Amino acid sequence: DAKTTQPNSMESNEEEPVHLPCNHSTISGTDYIHWYRQLPSQGPEYVIHGLTSNVNNRMASLAIAEDRKSSTLILHRATLRDAAVYYCILTGGSSNTGKLIFGQGTTLQVKP
Amino acid sequence: GAGVSQSPRYKVAKRGQDVALRCDPISGHVSLFWYQQALGQGPEFLTYFQNEAQLDKSGLPSDRFFAERPEGSVSTLKIQRTQQEDSAVYLCASRPPGSRPMTQYFGPGTRLLVL
Repeated sequence: DAKTTQPNSMESNEEEPVHLPCNHSTISGTDYIHWYRQLPSQGPEYVIHGLTSNVNNRMASLAIAEDRKSSTLILHRATLRDAAVYYCILTGGSSNTGKLIFGQGTTLQVKP
Repeated sequence: GAGVSQSPRYKVAKRGQDVALRCDPISGHVSLFWYQQALGQGPEFLTYFQNEAQLDKSGLPSDRFFAERPEGSVSTLKIQRTQQEDSAVYLCASRPPGSRPMTQYFGPGTRLLVL
């Protein structure tokens, strides 16, 4: 399974934009890029996904590099409720079941 | 609509005791996954069902772990003769039909503490 690399932690100030990077240099042409986040004491929550083009939804934006070897999750205005662990995961490709392979993720701290 | 639900939310077991953890997936979701999350770590895959068929159990750590989904909806993860290293959060996720893009929806998890 293709692997992703994320920084262990990041900090942001409240109401400022946050850019969470993810490297996935071994991504295959059929892999989707998924982002999940996990708030304290909760299960992971779907945030956004994309294949080739940039994507926007009510929670965030996903910017995908032209070569697809990296992507960035963008939270336009961080709030205290956005403090969580953010996971970048590749799905599809060689995995027939679609099981998710989580790394350590990026722990985002939001300061008031 | 209703999301994935799990019960109990918390379970304390004595070492050697058997436990059963329940997962109610989102209605209509044929795929169901179980994950184990140790403290401070990301979730790790345990097993996968498509309807009632268990198609992948490669992540189950030992033969003390057993999962079933007899009618293709509710699933139960059973751990026999619990050990302290089984202490973790057990997460269930379901996925709608279709092969792409494989988005999963998670329940809140069951936190198991083995004393």
